[in-house]
Amino acid sequence: EVQLVQSGAEVRKPGESLKISCKASGYAFTSYWIAWVRQMPGKGLEWMGIVYPGDSDTRYSPSFQGQVTISADKSITTAYLQWNILKASDTAIYYCARPRGSPDNWFDAWGQGTLVTVSS
Amino acid sequence: QSALAQPASVSGSPGQSITISCTGTSSDVGSYNLVSWYQQYPGKVPKVMIFEVSKRPSGVSNRFSGSKSGNTASLTISGLQAEDEADYYCCSYAGSSTVVFGGGTKLTVL
Repeated sequence: EVQLVQSGAEVRKPGESLKISCKASGYAFTSYWIAWVRQMPGKGLEWMGIVYPGDSDTRYSPSFQGQVTISADKSITTAYLQWNILKASDTAIYYCARPRGSPDNWFDAWGQGTLVTVSS
Repeated sequence: QSALAQPASVSGSPGQSITISCTGTSSDVGSYNLVSWYQQYPGKVPKVMIFEVSKRPSGVSNRFSGSKSGNTASLTISGLQAEDEADYYCCSYAGSSTVVFGGGTKLTVL
């Protein structure tokens, strides 16, 4: 069974850094991209970017390029989403998801979401 | 890369059919038959209902169907049931390994 298990909720202050994780199991981690999706409070889904754990290739939405870093550690089948300088507007639920298709275009498995709260 | 346009809300009575539209551009919806739809209950994780315009994953009711014409994709739910009340999001491939979501539609079953 494909499973994506995300790290727990985080509370940070503006200006702080943060790295959240997504632990994958039940499939060949290095053969599929992993995506990150943001959902701000009461708002819709936003695709942030993807990482290919096989070679750490990454792609970003223009809206998130330079704002976050997506990475993966294939030795522990875990993907990451990282901020160096958090802003209050980063408060949201962040989902990791596994894209499928050729090219990858839909998501068949999702993590449970990580709530990130940024507040002074 | 702008979000795909969806109506903010739609409603229907049990047993009826409803259609949710998803309008993009010639750079996303119009260029690829790679539109998917997700159902999300409040506080829950999104679930794929349709992928690649009209394909249903195993386990999804055949009351859900998808189609596309030009730059607009559509999700139709027939035989509306109370359990269908949720938020629905479309998603389209947009080239260069990127995708874009719609703004979401809240479905109310009257």
